Amino acid sequence: QVQLVQSGAEVKKPGSSVKVSCQASGGIFSGYVLNWVRQAPGQGLEWMGGIIPMFGTANYAQKFQGRVTITADESTSTVYMDLTSLKSDDTAVYYCARGGVDYADEYDSWGQGTLVTVSS
Amino acid sequence: SYVLTQPPSVSVAPGQTATITCGGNNIGSKSAHWYHQKPGQAPVLVVYDDNKRPSGIPERFSGSNSGNTATLTISRVEAGDEAEYYCQVWDRSDRHMIFGGGTTLTVL
Repeated sequence: QVQLVQSGAEVKKPGSSVKVSCQASGGIFSGYVLNWVRQAPGQGLEWMGGIIPMFGTANYAQKFQGRVTITADESTSTVYMDLTSLKSDDTAVYYCARGGVDYADEYDSWGQGTLVTVSS
Repeated sequence: SYVLTQPPSVSVAPGQTATITCGGNNIGSKSAHWYHQKPGQAPVLVVYDDNKRPSGIPERFSGSNSGNTATLTISRVEAGDEAEYYCQVWDRSDRHMIFGGGTTLTVL
Protein backbone atom coordinates (compact mmCIF):
# COMPACT_ATOMS: atom_id res chain seq x y z
CA GLN A 1 0.00 0.00 0.00
CA VAL A 2 1.28 3.43 -0.88
CA GLN A 3 2.54 5.68 1.89
CA LEU A 4 2.10 9.44 1.62
CA VAL A 5 4.39 11.79 3.53
CA GLN A 6 3.56 15.48 3.61
CA SER A 7 5.67 18.54 4.30
CA GLY A 8 5.65 20.23 7.67
CA ALA A 9 3.42 22.81 9.28
CA GLU A 10 3.34 26.34 7.92
CA VAL A 11 2.44 29.75 9.35
CA LYS A 12 1.52 32.33 6.74
CA LYS A 13 0.37 35.93 6.59
CA PRO A 14 -2.95 36.86 5.00
CA GLY A 15 -2.53 37.52 1.30
CA SER A 16 0.48 35.24 0.96
CA SER A 17 0.74 31.78 -0.59
CA VAL A 18 1.56 28.31 0.68
CA LYS A 19 2.85 25.24 -1.13
CA VAL A 20 2.39 21.84 0.50
CA SER A 21 4.08 18.71 -0.81
CA CYS A 22 3.10 15.05 -0.62
CA GLN A 23 5.59 12.32 -1.53
CA ALA A 24 4.44 8.80 -2.32
CA SER A 25 6.36 5.62 -1.73
CA GLY A 26 5.71 1.90 -1.81
CA GLY A 27 2.94 1.88 -4.37
CA ILE A 28 1.62 3.04 -7.71
CA PHE A 29 1.68 6.78 -8.22
CA SER A 30 1.42 7.94 -11.78
CA GLY A 31 -1.84 6.39 -12.92
CA TYR A 32 -3.89 7.13 -9.81
CA VAL A 33 -5.70 10.27 -8.74
CA LEU A 34 -3.87 12.18 -6.01
CA ASN A 35 -6.29 14.44 -4.18
CA TRP A 36 -6.11 17.31 -1.72
CA VAL A 37 -8.66 17.51 1.07
CA ARG A 38 -8.71 20.10 3.82
CA GLN A 39 -10.26 20.24 7.26
CA ALA A 40 -10.73 23.49 9.13
CA PRO A 41 -10.57 23.31 12.94
CA GLY A 42 -13.57 21.42 14.27
CA GLN A 43 -15.06 21.11 10.79
CA GLY A 44 -15.61 18.41 8.20
CA LEU A 45 -13.67 17.29 5.13
CA GLU A 46 -13.57 19.45 2.01
CA TRP A 47 -12.25 18.30 -1.37
CA MET A 48 -10.04 20.86 -3.09
CA GLY A 49 -9.02 19.03 -6.24
CA GLY A 50 -6.96 16.23 -7.68
CA ILE A 51 -4.50 15.25 -10.38
CA ILE A 52 -3.50 12.13 -12.25
CA PRO A 53 0.29 12.53 -12.47
CA MET A 54 0.52 10.48 -15.65
CA PHE A 55 -1.65 13.03 -17.47
CA GLY A 56 -0.67 16.15 -15.53
CA THR A 57 -4.03 17.91 -15.79
CA ALA A 58 -5.71 18.81 -12.51
CA ASN A 59 -9.38 19.03 -11.63
CA TYR A 60 -10.36 21.66 -9.05
CA ALA A 61 -13.34 22.26 -6.82
CA GLN A 62 -15.20 25.32 -8.03
CA LYS A 63 -14.74 27.01 -4.66
CA PHE A 64 -10.96 27.07 -5.11
CA GLN A 65 -10.76 27.75 -8.86
CA GLY A 66 -8.22 30.46 -9.54
CA ARG A 67 -6.60 30.17 -6.10
CA VAL A 68 -5.30 26.61 -6.06
CA THR A 69 -2.82 24.86 -8.31
CA ILE A 70 -2.08 21.15 -8.03
CA THR A 71 0.98 19.80 -9.79
CA ALA A 72 2.90 16.53 -9.85
CA ASP A 73 6.51 15.52 -10.34
CA GLU A 74 6.62 11.93 -11.52
CA SER A 75 10.41 11.74 -11.14
CA THR A 76 10.09 12.14 -7.36
CA SER A 77 6.54 10.74 -6.94
CA THR A 78 5.52 14.04 -5.37
CA VAL A 79 2.37 16.11 -5.72
CA TYR A 80 2.10 19.74 -4.69
CA MET A 81 -0.78 21.97 -3.67
CA ASP A 82 -0.24 25.70 -4.03
CA LEU A 83 -2.87 27.97 -2.46
CA THR A 84 -2.67 31.72 -3.02
CA SER A 85 -4.30 34.84 -1.55
CA LEU A 86 -4.54 33.18 1.84
CA LYS A 87 -7.21 34.28 4.31
CA SER A 88 -7.72 33.45 7.95
CA ASP A 89 -10.40 30.93 7.07
CA ASP A 90 -7.83 28.96 5.06
CA THR A 91 -6.41 27.87 8.40
CA ALA A 92 -6.82 24.11 8.26
CA VAL A 93 -5.15 20.75 8.11
CA TYR A 94 -4.45 19.87 4.49
CA TYR A 95 -4.36 16.19 3.52
CA CYS A 96 -3.27 14.46 0.37
CA ALA A 97 -5.07 11.23 -0.39
CA ARG A 98 -4.65 8.63 -3.10
CA GLY A 99 -7.74 7.66 -5.01
CA GLY A 100 -8.07 5.16 -7.80
CA VAL A 101 -7.83 5.38 -11.56
CA ASP A 102 -11.13 7.29 -11.64
CA TYR A 103 -11.99 10.45 -9.74
CA ALA A 104 -15.04 8.63 -8.30
CA ASP A 105 -12.89 6.04 -6.55
CA GLU A 106 -12.34 5.82 -2.83
CA TYR A 107 -9.25 7.16 -1.03
CA ASP A 108 -7.28 4.22 0.30
CA SER A 109 -4.22 6.07 1.57
CA TRP A 110 -3.89 9.43 3.27
CA GLY A 111 -0.97 11.59 4.23
CA GLN A 112 -0.47 12.59 7.83
CA GLY A 113 -1.81 16.08 7.23
CA THR A 114 -0.16 19.50 7.16
CA LEU A 115 -1.39 22.27 9.41
CA VAL A 116 -1.47 25.64 7.68
CA THR A 117 -2.11 28.58 9.96
CA VAL A 118 -2.97 31.94 8.43
CA SER A 119 -2.50 34.76 10.87
CA SER A 120 -1.28 38.32 10.88
CA SER B 1 -24.45 21.56 -6.26
CA TYR B 2 -24.84 18.10 -4.79
CA VAL B 3 -25.32 17.88 -1.02
CA LEU B 4 -24.89 14.94 1.35
CA THR B 5 -26.73 15.07 4.66
CA GLN B 6 -25.63 13.10 7.73
CA PRO B 7 -27.03 13.19 11.26
CA PRO B 8 -24.67 15.17 13.51
CA SER B 9 -24.50 12.43 16.11
CA VAL B 10 -25.40 8.82 16.80
CA SER B 11 -25.14 7.14 20.19
CA VAL B 12 -25.16 3.42 20.86
CA ALA B 13 -24.39 1.07 23.71
CA PRO B 14 -21.50 -1.39 23.41
CA GLY B 15 -22.51 -4.57 21.65
CA GLN B 16 -25.43 -2.93 19.88
CA THR B 17 -25.75 -1.90 16.24
CA ALA B 18 -25.03 1.62 15.01
CA THR B 19 -26.64 2.92 11.83
CA ILE B 20 -25.32 6.08 10.18
CA THR B 21 -27.19 7.48 7.22
CA CYS B 22 -26.09 9.67 4.33
CA GLY B 23 -28.85 11.34 2.37
CA GLY B 24 -28.51 12.68 -1.16
CA ASN B 25 -30.65 13.06 -4.25
CA ASN B 26 -30.65 9.67 -5.97
CA ILE B 27 -27.47 8.70 -4.14
CA GLY B 28 -28.26 5.09 -4.99
CA SER B 29 -27.07 5.80 -8.53
CA LYS B 30 -23.62 6.71 -7.23
CA SER B 31 -20.89 4.76 -5.42
CA ALA B 32 -20.72 5.74 -1.77
CA HIS B 33 -17.60 5.49 0.34
CA TRP B 34 -17.24 5.80 4.12
CA TYR B 35 -14.41 6.90 6.38
CA HIS B 36 -13.86 7.13 10.06
CA GLN B 37 -11.61 9.70 11.67
CA LYS B 38 -10.36 9.81 15.22
CA PRO B 39 -9.14 13.05 16.80
CA GLY B 40 -5.77 14.17 15.50
CA GLN B 41 -5.62 11.43 12.87
CA ALA B 42 -6.18 11.21 9.15
CA PRO B 43 -9.39 9.61 7.89
CA VAL B 44 -9.44 5.85 7.31
CA LEU B 45 -11.51 4.10 4.65
CA VAL B 46 -13.99 1.62 6.16
CA VAL B 47 -16.41 0.90 3.30
CA TYR B 48 -16.11 1.62 -0.43
CA ASP B 49 -18.36 1.17 -3.45
CA ASP B 50 -21.42 1.06 -1.21
CA ASN B 51 -20.71 -2.24 0.52
CA LYS B 52 -17.10 -3.40 0.11
CA ARG B 53 -14.63 -3.56 2.97
CA PRO B 54 -10.91 -2.79 2.62
CA SER B 55 -8.53 -5.37 4.00
CA GLY B 56 -8.11 -4.99 7.72
CA ILE B 57 -11.59 -3.59 8.35
CA PRO B 58 -13.68 -5.91 10.53
CA GLU B 59 -16.75 -7.66 9.11
CA ARG B 60 -18.75 -5.69 11.67
CA PHE B 61 -18.65 -2.78 9.22
CA SER B 62 -21.10 -2.99 6.33
CA GLY B 63 -22.81 -0.64 3.92
CA SER B 64 -25.79 -0.31 1.65
CA ASN B 65 -27.01 2.28 -0.82
CA SER B 66 -30.40 2.67 -2.42
CA GLY B 67 -32.73 5.45 -3.45
CA ASN B 68 -31.85 8.64 -1.60
CA THR B 69 -29.94 7.07 1.31
CA ALA B 70 -26.62 5.34 1.81
CA THR B 71 -26.16 3.59 5.14
CA LEU B 72 -23.16 2.51 7.18
CA THR B 73 -23.94 -0.21 9.72
CA ILE B 74 -21.60 -1.13 12.53
CA SER B 75 -22.55 -4.33 14.34
CA ARG B 76 -21.46 -5.27 17.87
CA VAL B 77 -20.15 -1.77 18.46
CA GLU B 78 -16.99 -1.44 20.53
CA ALA B 79 -15.55 1.51 22.42
CA GLY B 80 -12.82 1.76 19.80
CA ASP B 81 -15.42 2.54 17.13
CA GLU B 82 -15.96 5.99 18.61
CA ALA B 83 -15.01 8.42 15.85
CA GLU B 84 -16.32 10.87 13.29
CA TYR B 85 -17.78 9.12 10.24
CA TYR B 86 -17.97 10.69 6.78
CA CYS B 87 -19.70 9.56 3.62
CA GLN B 88 -18.36 10.51 0.20
CA VAL B 89 -19.56 10.39 -3.40
CA TRP B 90 -18.39 11.74 -6.75
CA ASP B 91 -20.74 14.16 -8.43
CA ARG B 92 -20.17 13.48 -12.11
CA SER B 93 -22.20 16.44 -13.33
CA ASP B 94 -20.01 19.00 -11.53
CA ARG B 95 -16.92 16.78 -11.44
CA HIS B 96 -16.57 17.33 -7.71
CA MET B 97 -15.92 14.96 -4.82
CA ILE B 98 -18.47 15.57 -2.11
CA PHE B 99 -18.25 14.72 1.59
CA GLY B 100 -21.09 14.56 4.03
CA GLY B 101 -20.92 16.81 7.05
CA GLY B 102 -19.86 13.98 9.34
CA THR B 103 -21.50 12.02 12.14
CA THR B 104 -20.04 11.68 15.62
CA LEU B 105 -20.47 8.13 16.87
CA THR B 106 -20.57 7.94 20.66
CA VAL B 107 -20.37 4.60 22.44
CA LEU B 108 -22.27 4.95 25.69
